Amino acid sequence: GENVEQHPSTLSVQEGDSAVIKCTYSDSASNYFPWYKQELGKGPQLIIDIRSNVGEKKDQRIAVTLNKTAKHFSLHITETQPEDSAVYFCAAPPLGADNAGNMLTFGGGTRLMVKP
Amino acid sequence: ETGVTQSPTHLIKTRGQQVTLRCSSQSGHNTVSWYQQALGQGPQFIFQYYREEENGRGNFPPRFSGLQFPNYSSELNVNALELDDSALYLCASSQSTLNTEAFFGQGTRLTVV
Repeated sequence: GENVEQHPSTLSVQEGDSAVIKCTYSDSASNYFPWYKQELGKGPQLIIDIRSNVGEKKDQRIAVTLNKTAKHFSLHITETQPEDSAVYFCAAPPLGADNAGNMLTFGGGTRLMVKP
Repeated sequence: ETGVTQSPTHLIKTRGQQVTLRCSSQSGHNTVSWYQQALGQGPQFIFQYYREEENGRGNFPPRFSGLQFPNYSSELNVNALELDDSALYLCASSQSTLNTEAFFGQGTRLTVV
């Protein structure tokens, strides 16, 4: 099936700095790449997603870039704030699933700590 | 809030017992998936239901089963509980089987002793 690897596993930044989290995937046919934020005691919440027909997408301080040739995508958070501290997960649909709905393979997660 | 609610929030069971976890999806969401999240790891896909039928399954044994009802509620059943089944169980609903946004509930923390 699809294999999603995420780096780094932990990331500590100073408030106001940028944070970058990277993921690689194995299935070249994958066409949907969401990023989720999970705060303590809560379920994952979608923060941004990108489809394979675009290379970059931005939403205020958050952006995602996709390189289909290299099979990797990245989350960029600028001007980090303490409330950005959480665990972030990348995901991709499973191998060969055209209509995968919310069948997702998740990366291992990145614990982001933003120090005031 | 995502509009997806799960019950109970916490549960302790003994090895060998059976458990039923419940999820209430957003109105109009005909697709629901269940995930198992072990401590410190990413969620792992268990199975998906679409219009009350199983639409896909991850690498989980048959003792993990599910049901989806017409009123946008669903259940995850686990038989013959093992210690390794201790985890956070998440349900996620979406509008269809296409790659649309998945809305997660807050999860049920299951502890097997």
